[in-house]
Amino acid sequence: QKEVEQDPGPLSVPEGAIVSLNCTYSNSAFQYFMWYRQYSRKGPELLMYTYSSGNKEDGRFTAQVDKSSKYISLFIRDSQPSDSATYLCAMSARTGNQFYFGTGTSLTVIP
Amino acid sequence: SQTIHQWPATLVQPVGSPLSLECTVEGTSNPNLYWYRQAAGRGLQLLFYSVGIGQISSEVPQNLSASRPQDRQFILSSKKLLLSDSGFYLCAWSGLVNQPQHFGDGTRLSIL
Repeated sequence: QKEVEQDPGPLSVPEGAIVSLNCTYSNSAFQYFMWYRQYSRKGPELLMYTYSSGNKEDGRFTAQVDKSSKYISLFIRDSQPSDSATYLCAMSARTGNQFYFGTGTSLTVIP
Repeated sequence: SQTIHQWPATLVQPVGSPLSLECTVEGTSNPNLYWYRQAAGRGLQLLFYSVGIGQISSEVPQNLSASRPQDRQFILSSKKLLLSDSGFYLCAWSGLVNQPQHFGDGTRLSIL
């Protein structure tokens, strides 16, 4: 079983839709959770960083962590064509230097 | 603010040739540094990480090596490239343990 599972998509939505991206994980030691956005031929860009369970909102983006279910989500409200990218989840435990990444979900927002 | 520079952006090399990819970080001291390879549909594979000058941890035995000659410089090398070394190589840095990583724009390496 992989440490982190992420549906690769692709996901295609109309402009203005609410997008839900999800990851599940198996290691209960994970405490830090991140979402990255990666445009084609570019490096991943940090979007959201959360610690433990709960919600965090930043503009049109909301990150949600449910540690009891080992499930994290990223919601994008009022999606824009510029949101078209691959979204990667990542997580790490309290100790150690390793981050565990999902394989990414490809999102296309159609004008 | 902190920035990370990675070069070159694209590289085409023949099989058996050497490799040197360089990554530098500005605006921070004593960062943790990482090299990843990203293959389509397979996510990010951690190759090496470093917590200080001269300190390198290897995660995957392979044809590559890494060095950290200065605090904010991280180099990925190979003496003889293989076809299987083709891929998208990403350098990243982080501050304290468990702070998020920040990535460079990567090097797309093609081996012919």
